[in-house]
Amino acid sequence: ETGVTQSPTHLIKTRGQQVTLRCSSQSGHNTVSWYQQALGQGPQFIFQYYREEENGRGNFPPRFSGLQFPNYSSELNVNALELDDSALYLCASSPGELVGETQYFGPGTRLLVL
Amino acid sequence: SQQGEEDPQALSIQEGENATMNCSYKTSINNLQWYRQNSGRGLVHLILIRSNEREKHSGRLRVTLDTSKKSSSLLITASRAADTASYFCATDGDYGQNFVFGPGTRLSVLP
Repeated sequence: ETGVTQSPTHLIKTRGQQVTLRCSSQSGHNTVSWYQQALGQGPQFIFQYYREEENGRGNFPPRFSGLQFPNYSSELNVNALELDDSALYLCASSPGELVGETQYFGPGTRLLVL
Repeated sequence: SQQGEEDPQALSIQEGENATMNCSYKTSINNLQWYRQNSGRGLVHLILIRSNEREKHSGRLRVTLDTSKKSSSLLITASRAADTASYFCATDGDYGQNFVFGPGTRLSVLP
């Protein structure tokens, strides 16, 4: 167990809707990263937050947004859902700010967009 | 584009045999990490190797890094059925890209 939790475990939405996924990091971990993993693929980096500020972003459109809170929880929001957003969404926490630190992953939220 | 590319895409071996997976990457790195994922669940960190290291061991795992060839290998010795999983290498990319994962190697260890 990594101590990172995510909710919900599964979610079904329809195209055009909005969704909020939640993550609770390990206590003391100031960095949280979010990834999208399509079936049979490796995780794709969405963005990273350090001390509640976004400090890195992958090649995802602005309808993917996030928040990090002082209590080590965070959210991933996706607006105007598209069919291709169907994937496993993973959050990962790490202690510091450095890129490339060991990351501790949650079990993921599986999102299906119909 | 993905920084790391694992090879082979899939590997099937018998219990007790050794499994070797390779990872190639494109740009310079500070470190490279290997992760395991069971059945589409969360990833578990296996080992981190820094750019100034050539080899690292952890239990039945052995990782090598060749920065001149931009490649790494993960060796699992005396494999067990419980090692059946997908294995990913991840590298630290340019600022703003954080970790970049390859597509993974799917390992099946048959009893």
